[in-house]
Amino acid sequence: AQKITQTQPGMFVQEKEAVTLDCTYDTSDQSYGLFWYKQPSSGEMIFLIYQGSYDEQNATEGRYSLNFQKARKSANLVISASQLGDSAMYFCAMRELNRGGNQFYFGTGTSLTVIP
Amino acid sequence: GAGVSQSPSNKVTEKGKDVELRCDPISGHTALYWYRQSLGQGLEFLIYFQGNSAPDKSGLPSDRFSAERTGGSVSTLTIQRTQQEDSAVYLCASSSPRLAGPTYNEQFFGPGTRLTVL
Repeated sequence: AQKITQTQPGMFVQEKEAVTLDCTYDTSDQSYGLFWYKQPSSGEMIFLIYQGSYDEQNATEGRYSLNFQKARKSANLVISASQLGDSAMYFCAMRELNRGGNQFYFGTGTSLTVIP
Repeated sequence: GAGVSQSPSNKVTEKGKDVELRCDPISGHTALYWYRQSLGQGLEFLIYFQGNSAPDKSGLPSDRFSAERTGGSVSTLTIQRTQQEDSAVYLCASSSPRLAGPTYNEQFFGPGTRLTVL
C-alpha cells in the first residue's frame, strides 16, 4: 500500500483565494511526522510545514496551515490568499519515528497553478 | 550556515558509462538521503545513511547503483553502465539528529544533479 497518497495531480486556484491540497497517509506507527514541501519550476525542494502525530493543534506557518485529521489519516495543506508565486509542485511526506527510522515517504505531488 | 550542496549540477553522459554524483550535507547532520526524481514525477527513495549504521539500500533500483558515505559526511552515488532510463534529477537531503523542536526531523535538500544519459 502507498504510504502517502496525493489524489490531485493538478489544481487551479484564483489569486487571493484559498486552496486545499489533499494528502492521506498510511502507517501503523503511533509516532510519526508529516511534512509538506514546495518545489517550484527551478527544482529546489522548500520545506513548508510540519505536523507531529502527537500535536493536538493544527500546524500553521504564515499562509500555510495543515488540516490534520488523525482518525482519517489525512494531512491536507491549506494555502490562504494564494499568490502567483505559489504556483509549484507540492509534495506531502511522512516519517515514521517508532522504528528509529529516517526514511521519508513522499507522495506523487500536486501541481498547483495560481491564476491571476 | 551552508546548505546541502551537490555536484555536478548537470551531467550528460553516454549510455554504458559510469557516473559519480556527489553530496555534501549540512555539517552535523547525521542522516543523509538520496532520491531520484524523473521528469514530472514524485521523489523515489534510493538510499539513506544514518551515522555509522549500515545504510538502508532498499530503494536502489538495481545493482548498477551504489552509494557510500565517507567519514559520516560527504556521500557519493555511483551509477555503473548508465542506461537512458537513469536520466533524472538526483536529489540529496540531510537531516539533524536532534529529537526535539518543531522541525527537528525536517530534511534539507540540495539543488540536485540533473543526469542525462544519451
